[in-house]
Amino acid sequence: AQKVTQAQTEISVVEKEDVTLDCVYETRDTTYYLFWYKQPPSGELVFLIRRNSFDEQNEISGRYSWNFQKSTSSFNFTITASQVVDSAVYFCALSGVRSGSARQLTFGSGTQLTVLP
Amino acid sequence: NAGVTQTPKFRVLKTGQSMTLLCAQDMNHEYMYWYRQDPGMGLRLIHYSVGEGTTAKGEVPDGYNVSRLKKQNFLLGLESAAPSQTSVYFCASSYHPEGPVGEQYFGPGTRLTVT
Repeated sequence: AQKVTQAQTEISVVEKEDVTLDCVYETRDTTYYLFWYKQPPSGELVFLIRRNSFDEQNEISGRYSWNFQKSTSSFNFTITASQVVDSAVYFCALSGVRSGSARQLTFGSGTQLTVLP
Repeated sequence: NAGVTQTPKFRVLKTGQSMTLLCAQDMNHEYMYWYRQDPGMGLRLIHYSVGEGTTAKGEVPDGYNVSRLKKQNFLLGLESAAPSQTSVYFCASSYHPEGPVGEQYFGPGTRLTVT
C-alpha cells in the first residue's frame, strides 16, 4: 500500500519569508514518481513538479525548490521569499510503477499555506 | 484545446436522487480518473479507466458507477445519492507510455451537495 503524509495542516507566514512544506511517503515500489500540486482558492489543481525515484537531484524553479531524499522517504517543497499569491493548499502525491498498474496517484491530505501581507 | 472539462460545476440533490457527472478531455489521453475531495482528506480515487471500454475501482467506489464508452469521455454516476456523497468531485486524465508516469491534468471540479 502507498501512503503520503503531510503533517503540517496549516502554515501561516508573512510575505517574503521562506517556507518549507513537508512530505513523507511510503511505498513498496522500487520505481515511483512524486508530485506536488497547488490548489489556489479558485479550486483548480495545478501541477508543479514530477520527480522519479531514480533522480535525487534537487530542483529549483524560480522561487520554488524541491528536496528529494530517498533515505528519509521525503520530498519537501520550499518557497523562497513567499508572496501573497502563494496562498493555496499544496498537495504531495505518489504514483508507483508496476506492470499493468493504473498509475494511480495517492495524495497527502494537503497543507494550507497562508501568506500574510 | 480545452484540456479537461467537467459538467456541471454545481449541483444540489435530494437524498435518493440520481445524477451523472460528465468529464471530457481533448488531449487523447488513455487514462482517466474520478476523485472526491473532502476537507482534511486530500483527494481520494473513486474509479478509474485505463482505456476506452475499461473501468476499475479505486479507493472509495461504493455508491458510484462509471462508464467510458468513448475515449474522450468518462462518466460518474450516483444512482441513489446520500448526504455522505456531498463533496467536490474532480476528474483527471493522463498519458502513460510504458515507462514514465505522466502528470495528471485535472478538471475544474464539480461541487455536489446532497440534502
